[in-house]
Amino acid sequence: DTGVSQDPRHKITKRGQNVTFRCDPISEHNRLYWYRQTLGQGPEFLTYFQNEAQLEKSRLLSDRFSAERPKGSFSTLEIQRTEQGDSAMYLCASTSAAVYEQYFGPGTRLTVT
Amino acid sequence: SQQGEEDPQALSIQEGENATMNCSYKTSINNLQWYRQNSGRGLVHLILIRSNEREKHSGRLRVTLDTSKKSSSLLITASRAADTASYFCATDAGDYKLSFGAGTTVTVRA
Repeated sequence: DTGVSQDPRHKITKRGQNVTFRCDPISEHNRLYWYRQTLGQGPEFLTYFQNEAQLEKSRLLSDRFSAERPKGSFSTLEIQRTEQGDSAMYLCASTSAAVYEQYFGPGTRLTVT
Repeated sequence: SQQGEEDPQALSIQEGENATMNCSYKTSINNLQWYRQNSGRGLVHLILIRSNEREKHSGRLRVTLDTSKKSSSLLITASRAADTASYFCATDAGDYKLSFGAGTTVTVRA
């Protein structure tokens, strides 16, 4: 039984570069979430998918952020023209329909220099 | 924005002692959940309490919920070194999205 996986675990990039993160949810889970967590804070909701449909995006998700979930399986989160303020842990979580508990991946730590 | 606020921000206890942390929130909820996060890692779900429940137990964990005060508490009994982590409450208004607090960092001393 594999849990939620995320790749890469760490990413260091220069300001202005684009980065893409991948999340593989637990296989039977149809809902997938992205959160951002900065040091000393709890995770903040960014967006979520039910199957391949992106149902909601937070106001935190600027136009530089885009997420996809083709075919309702894995998801990618892309940040274009990264800024130092994008430095954070990006967490992915998944769950089944009608279940409230979420299962989190280990996160991708992004550092923008 | 974060809905929940945990108190205290940090807690240091001796192994074997109990740890209590509190969470307050602002808007109506369907359920409230507690998660644990070990240093720099993903979150692990601990326990969920629904808005019509007042108390719930799971192993060494006891959660209470007071919807009239919009508050919850998490008690960890007989703490162990492995309980050292950050603990977050998260509220769900019934739309399957979680709103987290800033967390309580618990250190259990041997």
